[in-house]
Amino acid sequence: NAGVTQTPKFRVLKTGQSMTLLCAQDMNHEYMYWYRQDPGMGLRLIHYSVGEGTTAKGEVPDGYNVSRLKKQNFLLGLESAAPSQTSVYFCASTGHPGEQYFGPGTRLTVT
Amino acid sequence: GEDVEQSLFLSVREGDSSVINCTYTDSSSTYLYWYKQEPGAGLQLLTYIFSNMDMKQDQRLTVLLNKKDKHLSLRIADTQTGDSAIYFCAEVGDNTDKLIFGTGTRLQVFP
Repeated sequence: NAGVTQTPKFRVLKTGQSMTLLCAQDMNHEYMYWYRQDPGMGLRLIHYSVGEGTTAKGEVPDGYNVSRLKKQNFLLGLESAAPSQTSVYFCASTGHPGEQYFGPGTRLTVT
Repeated sequence: GEDVEQSLFLSVREGDSSVINCTYTDSSSTYLYWYKQEPGAGLQLLTYIFSNMDMKQDQRLTVLLNKKDKHLSLRIADTQTGDSAIYFCAEVGDNTDKLIFGTGTRLQVFP
């Protein structure tokens, strides 16, 4: 039982490049979330999903897209990376919105 | 809108008690949570309290809820160096699929 895994762990992008972050969970959870964490800002919700095939916008969705084609996977895409997207990205999943299980994070630097 | 506030830093001596405070605005919150984030890791659920409770104790952890003042606190007894981390309070209201996190309190424990 691996819990929540994130791929990759680290990435450096140049401005304008694109990439996809993968989140996978093996707990059969309905809800999945993508957050970004910046110093002094806490956690900010980017997008989330309440079930396979559904997505919804969070607090800071601009510049990101997501897909939930399979229940166990939640993908976060950056179509044209900007330096403002330098951050640590966390994925979480849960069967109940309050009790979330977090992945180890992806540290992204955009130069 | 919903808002959760915490002080940013707390420094305590090893063996003392730590008290981390949080205020929230959503009076419809049904559950309130405390999460812990150790360096370089994702968040882990530490404990939670249902809104009809005033207090919950779990080993060294005591959660106090003052619903009238919308104030939540986490007390850690006999604080150890391993308790050094960032602590986030969070709330989820009725009919919502999201957690609202505070900005986090960085607890530093010194010998």
